[in-house]
Amino acid sequence: KAGVTQTPRYLIKTRGQQVTLSCSPISGHRSVSWYQQTPGQGLQFLFEYFSETQRNKGNFPGRFSGRQFSNSRSEMNVSTLELGDSALYLCASSSLTGGANTEAFFGQGTRLTVV
Amino acid sequence: AQTVTQSQPEMSVQEAETVTLSCTYDTSESNYYLFWYKQPPSRQMILVIRQEAYKQQNATENRFSVNFQKAAKSFSLKISDSQLGDTAMYFCAFMKHEWRRSNYQLIWGAGTKLIIKP
Repeated sequence: KAGVTQTPRYLIKTRGQQVTLSCSPISGHRSVSWYQQTPGQGLQFLFEYFSETQRNKGNFPGRFSGRQFSNSRSEMNVSTLELGDSALYLCASSSLTGGANTEAFFGQGTRLTVV
Repeated sequence: AQTVTQSQPEMSVQEAETVTLSCTYDTSESNYYLFWYKQPPSRQMILVIRQEAYKQQNATENRFSVNFQKAAKSFSLKISDSQLGDTAMYFCAFMKHEWRRSNYQLIWGAGTKLIIKP
């Protein structure tokens, strides 16, 4: 069974640009959540999607957005990039069918550098 | 709001020794999950062990076990017979038991860097 796939692995962008990151969850998983990881702020929840609906959003500005497609693949978009957006962005998928299936499986992340 | 605190930024032990990583949390919820995740240099976040708050028995997974003290809101991870491959960042995480509805969200501690020395 293939794991969670995030693309691209590395990305360098210029301030003011926008970026789109992609996440393909494990087959059959309907929940996809996104996290930002930085040395200063640690791991912070961005948002979670379930069956194409955003169910929960963290405390991030409106420049951060996302969506989920009917095949459960998800994208997140950051517009008007700032230097502080440089981070490792992690995507996690889960089947959410109870018990042990509450486990979140993570991708290897996308390392975004804003210059 | 829930918070998770890991008070040990870095720990270092010799191979084969036992090490305990600390985690405390604050919540008013009665039903929740607690997790320990491992993040090696490859950056892949890997689940080490899971504890459901309603279960009194401490979870164990091979060399990994937890000491879950619900009243004290403490959730420490014990690694026995430590191996070089255990070198990684370890994160403690909390999740409310509302994942069926609208709140599948992990709240993370700051992490503990664990170094296993040969």
